[in-house]
Amino acid sequence: QSALTQPASVSGSPGQSITISCTGTSSDVGGHNLVSWYQHHPGKAPKVMIFEVTKRPSGVSDRFSGSKSGNAASLTISGLQAEDEADYYCCSFRSPNILVFGGGTKVTVL
Amino acid sequence: QVQLVESGGGLVKPGGSLRLSCEASGLSFSDSYMSWIRQAPGKGLEYISDISSTSRSIYYADSVQGRFTISRDNAKKSLSLQMNSLRAEDTAVYYCATLHSSAVEHWGQGTLVTVSS
Repeated sequence: QSALTQPASVSGSPGQSITISCTGTSSDVGGHNLVSWYQHHPGKAPKVMIFEVTKRPSGVSDRFSGSKSGNAASLTISGLQAEDEADYYCCSFRSPNILVFGGGTKVTVL
Repeated sequence: QVQLVESGGGLVKPGGSLRLSCEASGLSFSDSYMSWIRQAPGKGLEYISDISSTSRSIYYADSVQGRFTISRDNAKKSLSLQMNSLRAEDTAVYYCATLHSSAVEHWGQGTLVTVSS
């Protein structure tokens, strides 16, 4: 079961906006509005930032936003801050009945 | 406050078995969809398995199908993962997690499983 495709790394300066892409197929990203995004600081448990493509859990900053077009989803971080430096993973429901993660993107704040 | 506490990790030889457990608190466990997710050293997150609130629906990733078995005890608020025929590539931190709308809502801190001779 192949993973979703994410860029290995993305960087930006404080205050800038960055976008992380997540490419799948019509069996996962393109076929369902069930894409989620996770922030993972090494040594800590991952944290959900976005679910159902665009929804933010309570307590997550509105600097984080999600979108989807066709078989590709995106996570945008606006007003980049030092604390945003982490690994980010996308995840999607994949027909008929499992979840699949992306390979992860390392975000560096310059 | 939701807490998921994994246990049972450790060092095991290739071909061996190990049983992971997850104790849950601070949530309505019997109403929760549960999952196991792992992260191999230096690698990304990988979905392993999930189980519905009543245990009626159970699914596995191809990589563990036929070797791993997920189960739950709602009375004890616990989730288990029986891992047999372990391979070196099963070495990873294993996370217990709750699922909601196909998203991982809560994560445990993880337990390390090392498969090595």
